Amino acid sequence: AQSVTQLGSHVSVSEGALVLLRCNYSSSVPPYLFWYVQYPNQGLQLLLKYTSAATLVKGINGFEAEFKKSETSFHLTKPSAHMSDAAEYFCAVVRLDSNYQLIWGAGTKLIIKP
Amino acid sequence: EAGVTQFPSHSVIEKGQTVTLRCDPISGHDNLYWYRRVMGKEIKFLLHFVKESKQDESGMPNNRFLAERTGGTYSTLKVQPAELEDSGVYFCASSLGTPGGEQYFGPGTRLTVT
Repeated sequence: AQSVTQLGSHVSVSEGALVLLRCNYSSSVPPYLFWYVQYPNQGLQLLLKYTSAATLVKGINGFEAEFKKSETSFHLTKPSAHMSDAAEYFCAVVRLDSNYQLIWGAGTKLIIKP
Repeated sequence: EAGVTQFPSHSVIEKGQTVTLRCDPISGHDNLYWYRRVMGKEIKFLLHFVKESKQDESGMPNNRFLAERTGGTYSTLKVQPAELEDSGVYFCASSLGTPGGEQYFGPGTRLTVT
């Protein structure tokens, strides 16, 4: 069965430091991949998505993710963390036999230290 | 353009009672999805509507859950009778029909069954 693994339920970085949130998927065929973010007391918002057009995907708020088929990874990065980036981040993949159903990672809470 | 809205934002009920959650999708979105996140776990797919028809309800936990989508507009998710393990955050999302396309999420309904 397809699955998504996010390494680290909590990640803490200092303001201005590099943000790296890890996501690995299990699939033999490059799927659609997404990163969503949930800010406190808000709904899930799309950060970026991979749809096979390019392996480096740029999203909103300075985030980007690189699809690496050989590593089955889709890690999310941002060069310099801001306090406003504190949120929970979710990696998701579209289930291969549905085209719509999302399979989610467990989420990673990003903590920004001043 | 109004986003996906959900009502109520919070609901606290006793075991055995009935609760109905409502979701209003973005106007023009034929696809509507329900997801659930139990505390500490990953978000799980519940079901998918295309207009008023249930396209996929493979994620519905059991027959205590009933989802409807009246006239292809808003949707309700009824839990009857509620059990303790039904506690969690219920998310609704909507999208256009593009496979792998963005799903737009509502803020969620936090359900607590005591």
